[in-house]
Amino acid sequence: DAKTTQPPSMDCAEGRAANLPCNHSTISGNEYVYWYRQIHSQGPQYIIHGLKNNETNEMASLIITEDRKSSTLILPHATLRDTAVYYCIVSPANAGGTSYGKLTFGQGTILTVHP
Amino acid sequence: EADIYQTPRYLVIGTGKKITLECSQTMGHDKMYWYQQDPGMELHLIHYSYGVNSTEKGDLSSESTVSRIRTEHFPLTLESARPSHTSQYLCASSESGRANSPLHFGNGTRLTVT
Repeated sequence: DAKTTQPPSMDCAEGRAANLPCNHSTISGNEYVYWYRQIHSQGPQYIIHGLKNNETNEMASLIITEDRKSSTLILPHATLRDTAVYYCIVSPANAGGTSYGKLTFGQGTILTVHP
Repeated sequence: EADIYQTPRYLVIGTGKKITLECSQTMGHDKMYWYQQDPGMELHLIHYSYGVNSTEKGDLSSESTVSRIRTEHFPLTLESARPSHTSQYLCASSESGRANSPLHFGNGTRLTVT
């Protein structure tokens, strides 16, 4: 699986947009970009994923560069409850492959939302 | 909202005890996983299953064992607990029929071996 690089920590003011970058310069053509977050003492929570097109759901937006070597997770209006560790992961999506679903979580980005 | 449950939430036991951490999901997912996470550290995959009677070891070596007799149940067992097993254990599941199906995690079992 491709390795990802994320900043170790970021701050964001409540109500502002939080933009979390992720570098995945060795991503392969069949690998998706997934974002999860983990709030202290809880299990990780799925946020969003994408292949090459930008994606949006009720939680966030995912912007993937045209060359797919980097992406940005956007929380449009951050709240204090968005304070968490955010993980960017790339993984094949082949349902028949043995690596499917075996996500490798790195160190992630600690996002702190302050009042 | 994901329906995956782990019990107990917290467990403190003495060295040498046998323990089983329970994980159940009501979503009918074929694929289930166990991750181990030390405080402030990365998650490491220790076991996974692609369906009933299927179990595989993950990327991180673990002295634990798992079983998958029923689709909804994926317990993890430590035959003889040691202080080095102190950690958080996270169970997850995902659909098998749909490509790029996300993982749904339980809230974990925080194990302390004294």
